[in-house]
Amino acid sequence: GEEVAQTPKHLVRGEGQKAKLYCAPIKGHSYVFWYQQVLKNEFKFLISFQNENVFDETGMPKERFSAKCLPNSPCSLEIQATKLEDSAVYFCASSQGRTGELFFGEGSRLTVL
Amino acid sequence: AQTVTQSQPEMSVQEAETVTLSCTYDTSESDYYLFWYKQPPSRQMILVIRQEAYKQQNATENRFSVNFQKAAKSFSLKISDSQLGDAAMYFCALEYGNKLVFGAGTILRVKS
Repeated sequence: GEEVAQTPKHLVRGEGQKAKLYCAPIKGHSYVFWYQQVLKNEFKFLISFQNENVFDETGMPKERFSAKCLPNSPCSLEIQATKLEDSAVYFCASSQGRTGELFFGEGSRLTVL
Repeated sequence: AQTVTQSQPEMSVQEAETVTLSCTYDTSESDYYLFWYKQPPSRQMILVIRQEAYKQQNATENRFSVNFQKAAKSFSLKISDSQLGDAAMYFCALEYGNKLVFGAGTILRVKS
């Protein structure tokens, strides 16, 4: 596609429930990134992929967060046992190369009650 | 550690006037990219302008230009002939490795 497509736009979960977000990067882009934007607008890098391989996962809270980019499938970000502080907008972005312009999706807002 | 600081939480500008948003950063890298992103209420992140650190010439995109001072680690954004559609949150970002480090953002309000 010509744009980064994220689903769902909004997801509501009770504390302790699982949440799964999806991202279809722009066709031809080799790199996919996940960022978390919390309520104070602060952005936090979570993880990046080069095709289906994890490139950098230094930002991932590994206990409950996991992510995948499998061939011929949307990328996914899954949060097991959500907590109130996981409430945020999760942005997916893709790029052709390792550096340079990132194209962002519209974000998925996760609300944990 | 790489850091980006936007010292202006909020700025206002009259329509058709010029406004400058400030950004300073810290990095030990010599080769990096700097970006300004716009985030309107729709929350879509829109790239406004980018600057490669090895280029001395300041980047320009229509009404948007930057003042890139590498030695001072400063990267300000100038918006000329401000329009109502420019009202948004603006984020300065530094890329190193393959990650973006964002500043805290500046809310820009445009008065008619």
